[in-house]
Amino acid sequence: EVHLVASGGGLVQPGGSPRLSCVTSGFTFRSFEMHWVRQAPGKGLEWVSQISISGSSINYADSVKGRFTISRDNAKNSLYLQMNSVRVEDTAVYYCAGSGHRGGFEYWGQGTLVTVSS
Amino acid sequence: SYELTQPPSMSVSPGQTARITCSGDALPKQYVYWYQQKSGQAPVLVIYKDSERPSWIPERFSGSSSGTTVTLTISGVRAEDEGDFYCQSTDSSGTWVFGGGTKLTVL
Repeated sequence: EVHLVASGGGLVQPGGSPRLSCVTSGFTFRSFEMHWVRQAPGKGLEWVSQISISGSSINYADSVKGRFTISRDNAKNSLYLQMNSVRVEDTAVYYCAGSGHRGGFEYWGQGTLVTVSS
Repeated sequence: SYELTQPPSMSVSPGQTARITCSGDALPKQYVYWYQQKSGQAPVLVIYKDSERPSWIPERFSGSSSGTTVTLTISGVRAEDEGDFYCQSTDSSGTWVFGGGTKLTVL
């Protein structure tokens, strides 16, 4: 059975630097591109970042470029998102998701809520 | 930036057919993916590469494309199909975008 367990969310002050983790099991992590997707309360889905299988190719949404860093550890089947200089508008549930041969995001975690507030 | 446009909401009666559209200038050149998100849950992939259906998705879900518009069709809608539906695509730079979402209400 496939599991993606995201953690690291919580209440953070503006300007803070939370680090999100996503531990996976049940599928061949090293064969999947991985993504972070967020959803602000009551809003739609927003793609945040993508990392290739080897980690050599990385993309970010303009809204987080220069502030967030995605990384992965294939030996630990884990995905990370280092968030720096967070803003109130970064408040959202952050999902990790995996993309395989189907091209779409076929595996999703349960999400971790990051609340940026003073 | 690249945008995908969906109707904010639609409602259908059980047994009817729901057609949810997604429009974007680059859609003739890029695949579209569809997700269903039920309240309080993570999204689920229901259609990939415009019209392919994962094995875990019922046959009543189908996808089609025509020019700059793609359509998710749910035939014989059931109460359990209620939720938010999002289209998704990518642009040539490797970034991804979601449509604004369509809230499907089953009357």
